[in-house]
Amino acid sequence: GENVEQHPSTLSVQEGDSAVIKCTYSDSASNYFPWYKQELGKRPQLIIDIRSNVGEKKDQRIAVTLNKTAKHFSLHITETQPEDSAVYFCAAASGGTSYGKLTFGQGTILTVHP
Amino acid sequence: GAVVSQHPSRVICKSGTSVKIECRSLDFQATTMFWYRQFPKQSLMLMATSNEGSKATYEQGVEKDKFLINHASLTLSTLTVTSAHPEDSSFYICSARVQGGLGPQHFGDGTRLSIL
Repeated sequence: GENVEQHPSTLSVQEGDSAVIKCTYSDSASNYFPWYKQELGKRPQLIIDIRSNVGEKKDQRIAVTLNKTAKHFSLHITETQPEDSAVYFCAAASGGTSYGKLTFGQGTILTVHP
Repeated sequence: GAVVSQHPSRVICKSGTSVKIECRSLDFQATTMFWYRQFPKQSLMLMATSNEGSKATYEQGVEKDKFLINHASLTLSTLTVTSAHPEDSSFYICSARVQGGLGPQHFGDGTRLSIL
């Protein structure tokens, strides 16, 4: 099955700096890669996603890049703000008989210091 | 749009009790829903995939007789933790996908289950 590795496990930055979180996946059939933000005790919220036919996607301060050959994808947050502090999860999914089930990375605790 | 409602949000009960958790897609139809378990400071672990009108598909190591899943309609899936014990205490979250094939999964608010 799919295996997703996420790094770093914790990330501390100053307000205004950029933050980068990286993930690798093992299943070359995976073709959908979402990123979720989860605040303590709350639901994971989708912040951005990318499909395998695209190399990069951007939404305001958030961007995701995908390298299919190397089987890794990254989340980039620019101009970080204290409200960006949360746990971020990457995930990978493939279609077919797996019904698009997600395999999650271990999570990254992002702390943005004012 | 794409709102998933999960109830109850918190359950505290005695060991041996069975607990039912509901997951509803409020403004869309979901042929597939997913149930996850999340331990403190850990990632989401998929327990099972719930398919409308058919049996759920359980992940390896998840006891199907312990965690009963029913997906009787396109907007409702239920997870019943049967004869719950303290080790079943956890945060259970459901998700639903808006469309068939690949698409974003939207999560419910989760259920904090505490077994005394």
